[in-house]
Amino acid sequence: GQQLNQSPQSMFIQEGEDVSMNCTSSSIFNTWLWYKQDPGEGPVLLIALYKAGELTSNGRLTAQFGITRKDSFLNISASIPSDVGIYFCAGQLTGSQGNLIFGKGTKLSVKP
Amino acid sequence: SAVISQKPSRDICQRGTSLTIQCQVDSQVTMMFWYRQQPGQSLTLIATANQGSEATYESGFVIDKFPISRPNLTFSTLTVSNMSPEDSSIYLCSVWDISTDTQYFGPGTRLTVL
Repeated sequence: GQQLNQSPQSMFIQEGEDVSMNCTSSSIFNTWLWYKQDPGEGPVLLIALYKAGELTSNGRLTAQFGITRKDSFLNISASIPSDVGIYFCAGQLTGSQGNLIFGKGTKLSVKP
Repeated sequence: SAVISQKPSRDICQRGTSLTIQCQVDSQVTMMFWYRQQPGQSLTLIATANQGSEATYESGFVIDKFPISRPNLTFSTLTVSNMSPEDSSIYLCSVWDISTDTQYFGPGTRLTVL
């Protein structure tokens, strides 16, 4: 089946540091979504990307849709303790509305 | 964005029993989905809940094990049948928002099977 390679698997950083994570695939996606999941909660949508090359920000978060449509990255600037959680990328293949393929997640830990 | 609620939020069940999970959306949506998230894992799509017709199941998931109902455009249920400890997971309802072309998730139901 389709797979998304998300890296890194986990990160342990100091408060105030910037964070970068990415997802790659052998398939072409028409939508990339980034979610954050806190323990015991459902994933919460952070950023949605719809066009190749698109760069979108949401506060301290910035994400880009790769030009090849096979990759995306998420950056978090000046991390704070509440950034702790698991971040998932998800891609939607052309013609498969709603059927998302998820990465394995990046677990972020922030040391005050 | 759509507001999604799920019941129960968590449950502990005995092997061999069944549990029905409810998903309620605050607005009418065309597409609703059920996902499973096994401990420490990512999300896997179980099925698309179709209003007025049988659900569409992904490879590895069957109707006898995970029967789904979708009586209207704001509500769906997922039943986990004849449970075993391997069914211990978080089950998540989601909806596709056509206006924003994005998908939103409910808070999940954490199921533990003893």
